[in-house]
Amino acid sequence: EAQVTQNPRYLITVTGKKLTVTCSQNMNHEYMSWYRQDPGLGLRQIYYSMNVEVTDKGDVPEGYKVSRKEKRNFPLILESPSPNQTSLYFCASRGGQGDYSPLHFGNGTRLTVT
Amino acid sequence: DQQVKQNSPSLSVQEGRISILNCDYTNSMFDYFLWYKKYPAEGPTFLISISSIKDKNEDGRFTVFLNKSAKHLSLHIVPSQPGDSAVYFCAASAVGYNFNKFYFGSGTKLNVKP
Repeated sequence: EAQVTQNPRYLITVTGKKLTVTCSQNMNHEYMSWYRQDPGLGLRQIYYSMNVEVTDKGDVPEGYKVSRKEKRNFPLILESPSPNQTSLYFCASRGGQGDYSPLHFGNGTRLTVT
Repeated sequence: DQQVKQNSPSLSVQEGRISILNCDYTNSMFDYFLWYKKYPAEGPTFLISISSIKDKNEDGRFTVFLNKSAKHLSLHIVPSQPGDSAVYFCAASAVGYNFNKFYFGSGTKLNVKP
């Protein structure tokens, strides 16, 4: 089954404790991206990757890091989480450059930073 | 700056009737528009899309209309069913110009009453 898998689904942590949210897709997609969803703000892009070793900032990259060492994986790293990073996070993937195709989303990770 | 706006946070419709969800955008470079449906505790699921060369696209009970001059997008669901109750996000992208970004509205929560 074609899917985007995120882990964990729920995470509660304390300020400053480094964490990683994993994302994996099995569709051989070149493009992967991270979004956060906050009430009244919709989905905002954090980082994206066009291919292995190619990443770039989205609209809200502050406080986040990503890496793309393999095509299927795109982890989101919070080196020093803060309460304003409490949010619902989604990983997504799609086909290649110039492709009119939709984003496929994972089921989300609800992060709470206290 | 919110380039995609959904001005109705919620909509309530009787089963069997038509649901009309609206979306406005500001960027005339957008050439690809999508609707996503989101149930609680799940990721957004792609519903239907339209490119800027069309003004209408149908898929079963779902029809998307695009009015480029008004920069307006709408989703019609006919007939509405209780299982359609979910949050609907519209999204837009300028695939021909900047493949990397999708812009999302803040969502409309649809409630279909039996």
